Parts: sequence; structure tokens; C-alpha cells
Amino acid sequence: GAGVSQSPSNKVTEKGKDVELRCDPISGHTALYWYRQSLGQGLEFLIYFQGNSAPDKSGLPSDRFSAERTGGSVSTLTIQRTQQEDSAVYLCASRSWDPNTGELFFGEGSRLTVL
Amino acid sequence: GENVEQHPSTLSVQEGDSAVIKCTYSDSASNYFPWYKQELGKRPQLIIDIRSNVGEKKDQRIAVTLNKTAKHFSLHITETQPEDSAVYFCAASMRKAAGNKLTFGGGTRVLVKP
Repeated sequence: GAGVSQSPSNKVTEKGKDVELRCDPISGHTALYWYRQSLGQGLEFLIYFQGNSAPDKSGLPSDRFSAERTGGSVSTLTIQRTQQEDSAVYLCASRSWDPNTGELFFGEGSRLTVL
Repeated sequence: GENVEQHPSTLSVQEGDSAVIKCTYSDSASNYFPWYKQELGKRPQLIIDIRSNVGEKKDQRIAVTLNKTAKHFSLHITETQPEDSAVYFCAASMRKAAGNKLTFGGGTRVLVKP
């Protein structure tokens, strides 16, 4: 696609439910990132995939959070047993394979509201 | 891991004046420093970046300076315009063969008053 696509754009769920957020990166981009942005706050790193390397999961806040990237393309971020503090915008970004190109291209984000 | 501090958190300037945002980083191995602009309700977008082999880079009204010794870098916006109003994020990463994890600062909300 022309840009990074994320779905759903908005998700309202009840506390305790599981949610899945999807990211479709720019075609050919080997690096994929997930960030979380709470209201009026900065970009909190969650997880990073680079090609076939093991993902960097150092930013995942708890074991309720997990992510996978299938076939080196689409990624799914799963939050189990959602809590109210999980409410935020979840941003996905992808980057080219070219190590000289550092630009991250962000999606529009998935706004998660946990009631 | 890398830690990036950004100041100020909010900045209000009169149209036509300059705006300066400062960031410090903790990992001396970091060698790539981008700046992203996020307009209200929009996605962050890269506006300028600098690598550790240069001390300054300019692009029209925007410039970034880097002091590796002190581990800090700054964004300078001259002749500010209302469309410069946004949240600006600095970031740092160490470029390596396996890719680079980008750590962002907390952001600076810039308001340009007409």
C-alpha cells in the first residue's frame, strides 16, 4: 500500500476483554515498530521487529501484551485482559531495509478505550 | 537502554520569533537523531534528522545541532508561522546491522501565536 495501515481506527472495549490491533506496513519495509501514546503524552516504545531477527520486546509493559509479525509483513498487537490504563493510541510504524534511511513512517493509529 | 529527555514540555512563541527545543540522550553509542512533528490528531512525521558525523544540519527554516560530547541536540525553528504549531518529538537510536530501536523524548507542544 501507499502508507502504513492500521485497524481498527477506534476500539472501545470492556475491562477484562482481549483486543487485537493490526498493522499493515509499507510494502518492502523490513522494520516494524509499535508505540503507545497516552493522551497528551509522548511515544512509548513497545516492540520492534527487524526482518528475521528476534523481536525487541523490551518495551512491552506486562505479559498481557504480545505481538507477532507473520510472513515479515502484517503485525498484530494483542492485549489480553484489558485494563483502563491500557487506554491510549497505539501507533505502528515501518522503516525501509536501507540502513542509511532512518525515517519511520507511522500509521494513523488505533485508539483504544477501555471502559 | 537509551533515555531521551526533552525540554521544554510546552513552548509559546509569537509568530515570526524563533523556537528552540533541547534534548539530551544517555547512550554515547547513539548515532542517529531525528525530529518528528505531530499535528493535532495526525500521525508523527519526520521533519529533519542528523547523524553523529555532522554537527549541524539545516532545511529552510529548520535546523538541528548536535553536541556529541555533551550528548545533547537541539531543534531550531526560525521565523515561526502558525502552521508550525504542533507537538515536536526528538529521538535517538544506535544504527546497527540488526536495525535501530528509536527512543523518543516526551515531546514539546509548540504554540505559535499570530
